[in-house]
Amino acid sequence: SQQGEEDPQALSIQEGENATMNCSYKTSINNLQWYRQNSGRGLVHLILIRSNEREKHSGRLRVTLDTSKKSSSLLITASRAADTASYFCAVYSGGGADGLTFGKGTHLIIQP
Amino acid sequence: IAGITQAPTSQILAAGRRMTLRCTQDMRHNAMYWYRQDLGLGLRLIHYSNTAGTTGKGEVPDGYSVSRANTDDFPLTLASAVPSQTSVYFCASSAEPLSPQHFGDGTRLSIL
Repeated sequence: SQQGEEDPQALSIQEGENATMNCSYKTSINNLQWYRQNSGRGLVHLILIRSNEREKHSGRLRVTLDTSKKSSSLLITASRAADTASYFCAVYSGGGADGLTFGKGTHLIIQP
Repeated sequence: IAGITQAPTSQILAAGRRMTLRCTQDMRHNAMYWYRQDLGLGLRLIHYSNTAGTTGKGEVPDGYSVSRANTDDFPLTLASAVPSQTSVYFCASSAEPLSPQHFGDGTRLSIL
């Protein structure tokens, strides 16, 4: 069953603006990961945040995790046209023996 | 370049035929996974393997089988293809079950 659910389903912003995507999940997790998928390609890992962490940064990416609300957010600052892609959150629950459970993704369009 | 190789990249198959999707990784990762991606449903786990010689069922295993005879290869077999198995199939690997996953570029499979 789907755990991570992203919001919004689609987002269109101007180049240079910040983009925020949200993810909610249903059960306790070991870690939460964000991935990017360009059209016609495989997913690329962006950032992993563990259940005992609240915030992580990687370049222009900032991820937060609120385990009490079972939610996470991905912020992309100073967006670029190359950031146009679909973004997925995914969670490892249980003992990690059953792979990632993905949400349906947010399709982000950066207008030049 | 290290990574995951999937073959074929696309295939059209008649219903009832047997088909094996190939996946090879050269990163010496312990864990490997098969997902299917359908429009509006995101990625769903079919089967996984935490280490060579072991496999497990994911969320949607029916109609599919896998084997993990060695570290590098993780083929996915459709014994008797049905139209509902039309999808994009992604193979992934990770150093350990909880680690970030590396994805191939997918196999686009159409069952007629």
